[in-house]
Amino acid sequence: DADVTQTPRNRITKTGKRIMLECSQTKGHDRMYWYRQDPGLGLRLIYYSFDVKDINKGEISDGYSVSRQAQAKFSLSLESAIPNQTALYFCATSDRRQGRRNEQFFGPGTRLTVL
Amino acid sequence: KQEVTQIPAALSVPEGENLVLNCSFTDSAIYNLQWFRQDPGKGLTSLLLIQSSQREQTSGRLNASLDKSSGRSTLYIAASQPGDSATYLCAVLYGNNRLAFGKGNQVVVIP
Repeated sequence: DADVTQTPRNRITKTGKRIMLECSQTKGHDRMYWYRQDPGLGLRLIYYSFDVKDINKGEISDGYSVSRQAQAKFSLSLESAIPNQTALYFCATSDRRQGRRNEQFFGPGTRLTVL
Repeated sequence: KQEVTQIPAALSVPEGENLVLNCSFTDSAIYNLQWFRQDPGKGLTSLLLIQSSQREQTSGRLNASLDKSSGRSTLYIAASQPGDSATYLCAVLYGNNRLAFGKGNQVVVIP
């Protein structure tokens, strides 16, 4: 089945460490997104990419960076993790050929804890 | 800025009752509205997507309506079952293909 996968699924790290979360997809979609989910705040967009050479900031990009290594891969990095980056992180994809429909499909999430 | 509100935040219903979940959004200039289901600690599963030109979508026991001019959508789940217990998220696609999410309706169906 065409799918969106995220690694790792769970990660505990310490303040100041560099962390990379990875997302890969076999859906053949060109658009990829990173979101974080916090209790009481809902999902918020961190970064998104519409193609391999395209990177765009979302509403909460400070403290994060991304890399789109290939159409199927989109990585999120925390250069120096801090405790308020503890959250559930989701990757999503969509297909520009859908036009305005642009349905997004989500990965299973990565639970990140920063101590 | 697009803001999405879901009311009520949490509800419990006896098995067999119909569920009605409400979503409202502040800017009617949307491309589509998507309803998702999320189980605790899990990812999001897309349930229904209504394009801005549509009034409703149906899938099995689920029906979602959209009134774009008033900024409202309603998700109906007929004859609820314990397996319907989950959090339901509403999201609107707007602007430069961005999704704005509500905080969810947490549903418990009591056997």
